[in-house]
Amino acid sequence: NAGVMQNPRHLVRRRGQEARLRCSPMKGHSHVYWYRQLPEEGLKFMVYLQKENIIDESGMPKERFSAEFPKEGPSILRIQQVVRGDSAAYFCASSPEVEGLGQPQHFGDGTRLSIL
Amino acid sequence: GEDVEQSLFLSVREGDSSVINCTYTDSSSTYLYWYKQEPGAGLQLLTYIFSNMDMKQDQRLTVLLNKKDKHLSLRIADTQTGDSAIYFCAESIVGSSASKIIFGSGTRLSIRP
Repeated sequence: NAGVMQNPRHLVRRRGQEARLRCSPMKGHSHVYWYRQLPEEGLKFMVYLQKENIIDESGMPKERFSAEFPKEGPSILRIQQVVRGDSAAYFCASSPEVEGLGQPQHFGDGTRLSIL
Repeated sequence: GEDVEQSLFLSVREGDSSVINCTYTDSSSTYLYWYKQEPGAGLQLLTYIFSNMDMKQDQRLTVLLNKKDKHLSLRIADTQTGDSAIYFCAESIVGSSASKIIFGSGTRLSIRP
């Protein structure tokens, strides 16, 4: 039973390029969350998605960042025109669709994004 | 507001107990979590407690929750070198249709021989 899978593990981009981060939730999980961890800091919530729907994007920067979770395939976090400040570890988490919110979330190993 | 606070560093001697403390502000949180992060790795869910519980024990780990004071602690008995890591306290915030986790900044646990 595979856990949350993220790829790539490491991604290097030059300023102005686009970064695409992928996340496949655990089997049976239909809720996906993205978090960002800046160096020496805790994780900050970015966005919460269910299949084909964005439920809460209160933590997403207003520009350049977008997320999707299509009916088929992984969830994608997309960062356009990357800047140095986007360098961070981006973690995806998933939880099952069960009654009652606040179910424990299981995390992937993250994608470490470095901007040159 | 939503805030989770924890001390940044803790150093203990191998074999002693480690106690990592955390305070949170949101009284509507449903679950409170402890995650462990080793260098360069992702987050490992260590244990969690539902907000209507006072205590949970799982092998070497004991979680205590004081809901009145909004205080959560993690006790690791017989601390080993493999316990060296950053430990994150977190709470789930449940809105009308959403659920997200608010993390503390992490406590870096180091083990002295």
